[in-house]
Order: sequence, then structure tokens, then C-alpha cells
Amino acid sequence: DQQVKQNSPSLSVQEGRISILNCDYTNSMFDYFLWYKKYPAEGPTFLISISSIKDKNEDGRFTVFLNKSAKHLSLHIVPSQPGDSAVYFCAAREGSSNTGKLIFGQGTTLQVKP
Amino acid sequence: GAVVSQHPSWVICKSGTSVKIECRSLDFQATTMFWYRQFPKKSLMLMATSNEGSKATYEQGVEKDKFLINHASLTLSTLTVTSAHPEDSSFYICSASSFGRTDTQYFGPGTRLTVL
Repeated sequence: DQQVKQNSPSLSVQEGRISILNCDYTNSMFDYFLWYKKYPAEGPTFLISISSIKDKNEDGRFTVFLNKSAKHLSLHIVPSQPGDSAVYFCAAREGSSNTGKLIFGQGTTLQVKP
Repeated sequence: GAVVSQHPSWVICKSGTSVKIECRSLDFQATTMFWYRQFPKKSLMLMATSNEGSKATYEQGVEKDKFLINHASLTLSTLTVTSAHPEDSSFYICSASSFGRTDTQYFGPGTRLTVL
């Protein structure tokens, strides 16, 4: 049973435009959500996170929105740059401490065209 | 961010042999380390969680006798794939976290295992 789902396997946007990556979850006990960026043959790199008590967190070009009632979060990248091309994983954390395990979505491959 | 290393970055071995993968946290004490496995074009699947000085907790469906995990110190965890078979070929990634940190798990660069 997939508790974290990224229903779009791929997304292509033009440089300078907004990229919106979506993620849905089913477990209401998740209290912390994270986005990771991953290049081929490398480990994921932490991008941005949001606590379940917030609905928005912004860091430079990256903003994450959380809609708890819909169990949905999204990552906005604006403006998109070719270097943003990678696989983006949404993850949710169980437990209240930082040692809670992460449940990952399937990933969305973002391609930003120059 | 924190730095986590893995060694080796890739390994090719014969079927039936054992392979050890090391995961090190270079600039912080990792009270917990996680081991993931990623199949091509698939998500990262958590295999086990290990706390320093304790036995690892394995996820359902992961054979603990096949994937031996040791977390002997606050900076080192090892994953040993015993009697490897071709179906064990995969990308193995570790991550590390430290209790009390306000941020998240930091991932190693991964190890590509190919079993012939």
C-alpha cells in the first residue's frame, strides 16, 4: 500500500516558468514532509520541508504548500532553471522525532528546457 | 548540510559472495542510520533502521539474515549483503540523522551493486 504517492512520473517546463510537483498521502499521522532532489547514481539531496502545523514554507525559489484536509502537498519552483532538472521525491515522516523513518513517493522527473 | 559518505560507490561481485557497504557520517554523530534500496525508476524503499549500539529494525519483507546491518559507532554503519544473487543487484543508499537536530536525514551518495 503506497502511503505517499506522486502520480505524475514526469514533468516538462520551460526555463523561467513555474514548476509544480504534486504529492498525496494517506496516513494522517504523518507530521513532517520533505522534498528531496536526486540526480542519477547519487543520493537524494534535501531541498525543503514543512511541518504539519504549517501550510506554507518558502526558501528562495522553492515553496512547499501543505493542504492537510486534502492530504496533499506541492512543491513550487519559480523561476525554473535547467539545473533543476532531476528526480524529485516527496517524503513523509512518521513519529515526532527526527529519527522517524521516511516514506518516499515514487518520484517525479522534472525536465526544464532552456 | 551534513556530509555522509558511502564506500564503495560501486561493486561487482560473483553470485554467492558477500559484499560489505560502509556508511559514514563525516561531520556529525549519527544516532540513527537508515538503509534504503532503489530499483530502476522506482522509489527508495526503506530496508532497515539502525540505532547506534542496538540491533537494526528491519522492514517487513527484508531478510535480516541476508542483509546484515551493524551500527557499531556514531559515525559508521555497515550493510553486508550475504550470499549475493543477481536479484540483489540494486542501488543501496544510506542516510543518517542525529537526535535533537531540527533538520532531516542526510543521504549518502549510494552504492551500485551488480551481482553476476
